Amino acid sequence: KNEVEQSPQNLTAQEGEFITINCSYSVGISALHWLQQHPGGGIVSLFMLSSGKKKHGRLIATINIQEKHSSLHITASHPRDSAVYICAVNNDMRFGAGTRLTVKP
Amino acid sequence: EADIYQTPRYLVIGTGKKITLECSQTMGHDKMYWYQQDPGMELHLIHYSYGVNSTEKGDLSSESTVSRIRTEHFPLTLESARPSHTSQYLCASKREGNYGYTFGSGTRLTVV
Repeated sequence: KNEVEQSPQNLTAQEGEFITINCSYSVGISALHWLQQHPGGGIVSLFMLSSGKKKHGRLIATINIQEKHSSLHITASHPRDSAVYICAVNNDMRFGAGTRLTVKP
Repeated sequence: EADIYQTPRYLVIGTGKKITLECSQTMGHDKMYWYQQDPGMELHLIHYSYGVNSTEKGDLSSESTVSRIRTEHFPLTLESARPSHTSQYLCASKREGNYGYTFGSGTRLTVV
């Protein structure tokens, strides 16, 4: 069993929809990261969380340490949000398998 | 503008050749990482370093080596390339503490 589980694996949404991607982990962590990988392979760090909630533009990330669960929310989704979203934990970056998001116009 | 640079961006090489993938960062980050990613698949940690003269193996390290002689430079070497090494290789760096990661653009390696 992977130490980091993401759901859903694939997600298709219509432009404007509210999107939630989930990440559950089974190990003790010092920090959880949400990453975005666009077609072409480049990876961008979106958030680093150790507790609570962070917001950046239309993106919101939350973490519940007791439940070992984090969520990434996208409000008013747009086709340019289409990418793979990856959850990772700890300093040596154990990765989830990623959620492939497609937002249709 | 990228602060972490990987070269080459693309490489096609024959089986048995020795290759070195370069990764350099200008941010003074102590921590650096190499990941391998097959198309549509998750990233796997190959090697990491927490500073000069520090290197550790990840999950897929057995066929490659790294060195960290300078803070800014973390090259990855495959002594004898095989078709199974065909993949994308991503380098990343991070400052000590709870900070985010910076990734390079990757090297797409094809071994024929």
